[in-house]
Amino acid sequence: GAVVSQHPSRVICKSGTSVKIECRSLDFQATTMFWYRQFPKQSLMLMATSNEGSKATYEQGVEKDKFLINHASLTLSTLTVTSAHPEDSSFYICSARSGRGLNQPQHFGDGTRLSIL
Amino acid sequence: AQSVAQPEDQVNVAEGNPLTVKCTYSVSGNPYLFWYVQYPNRGLQFLLKYITGDNLVKGSYGFEAEFNKSQTSFHLKKPSALVSDSALYFCAVRPLTGGGNKLTFGTGTQLKVEL
Repeated sequence: GAVVSQHPSRVICKSGTSVKIECRSLDFQATTMFWYRQFPKQSLMLMATSNEGSKATYEQGVEKDKFLINHASLTLSTLTVTSAHPEDSSFYICSARSGRGLNQPQHFGDGTRLSIL
Repeated sequence: AQSVAQPEDQVNVAEGNPLTVKCTYSVSGNPYLFWYVQYPNRGLQFLLKYITGDNLVKGSYGFEAEFNKSQTSFHLKKPSALVSDSALYFCAVRPLTGGGNKLTFGTGTQLKVEL
């Protein structure tokens, strides 16, 4: 089946640091990848949709300069949390859809637990 | 705009008993419907989907779901629960047309299967 690899799984760093999270589709090409944020015991909140070769589309209320997304190839998208602060601590999950059809399921990475001290 | 409701925050079931996790949706037109499962500190794993055709959809790990258009529901079921089924379950919907790429998730239902 389709596998999405997300790295790192856990990051602990000081306030003010920038953190990069990678999301790779291992056995399929993903023209579209999605970045979510999940708070404890809550659902997934879509942050942005990442399209290969073009600018990401951010959801309302998500700062594009704070959360930089790059989707340079059909198998890799990155999310960089710039100048991270404690309120950015969260569980970040990436997802990719195999194929262009909207009936295709999204496949998820295992998430990145980001803790800002 | 589409939405998904999972009315139960938690469902408790004894091992070996049937389980049902409820989901209702609201969407313009026909929906694509999905169920995902999430284990602690992990991403979501795809269980099953409804696109068209038979209302009863079979998925991974013995799970199935029944699409009911008149009730706009897509309840997840399993005939005999296992302790290992204990996890967080999410229902999700995407419209066939319009709505862009967005998959809208419910708030999740914590399933606890006890011996």
